[in-house]
Amino acid sequence: DADVTQTPRNRITKTGKRIMLECSQTKGHDRMYWYRQDPGLGLRLIYYSFDVKDINKGEISDGYSVSRQAQAKFSLSLESAIPNQTALYFCATSEGQGARGRAFFGQGTRLTVV
Amino acid sequence: AQSVTQLDSQVPVFEEAPVELRCNYSSSVSVYLFWYVQYPNQGLQLLLKYLSGSTLVKGINGFEAEFNKSQTSFHLRKPSVHISDTAEYFCAVSSRGSTLGRLYFGRGTQLTVWP
Repeated sequence: DADVTQTPRNRITKTGKRIMLECSQTKGHDRMYWYRQDPGLGLRLIYYSFDVKDINKGEISDGYSVSRQAQAKFSLSLESAIPNQTALYFCATSEGQGARGRAFFGQGTRLTVV
Repeated sequence: AQSVTQLDSQVPVFEEAPVELRCNYSSSVSVYLFWYVQYPNQGLQLLLKYLSGSTLVKGINGFEAEFNKSQTSFHLRKPSVHISDTAEYFCAVSSRGSTLGRLYFGRGTQLTVWP
């Protein structure tokens, strides 16, 4: 089983719909992240969480919200999806070594908003 | 603030040729440096990282990278590539002394190895 699991792997949704992307991990890491990947832009940070009571905005949080239901679960929601949110979304965890720690990524969720 | 520039968006090479993927960074604080690789339809995985010590870092699959502080670079190299090295490669930095652990990524370099 993968250390970081994302569901769904692919999703097509209509403009204005609410959608949730889910992430679960078996690494036992406190730190979890949501990134968005667009072609030619690399990965950009949406939200991050250091524990269930700590949620922080990243550089592109507008239009997104998150929920940390447990240490192992971190969900990303699009309250009202729009076409420019079409992208590949990655959930990641990192080892508890601060900036030194290795990150572990899920396989990604490809979201298309039509 | 940190920024990462990967100087080539695409690098095509023939099998068994050497390759260098270039990465420069800008930061007002000291950083840790990473290279991640993304194979088709997969998530990113760590290739290698520089934390301290020797500026030449060896990673998985025969890759290595050299940290050059004066040039603020962290170029990735492999002396002889294989078809299986075809993937997208991301250079990333994180801030030393920060507890955040967040990564700042470059835009990626697509390495394509031809037979």
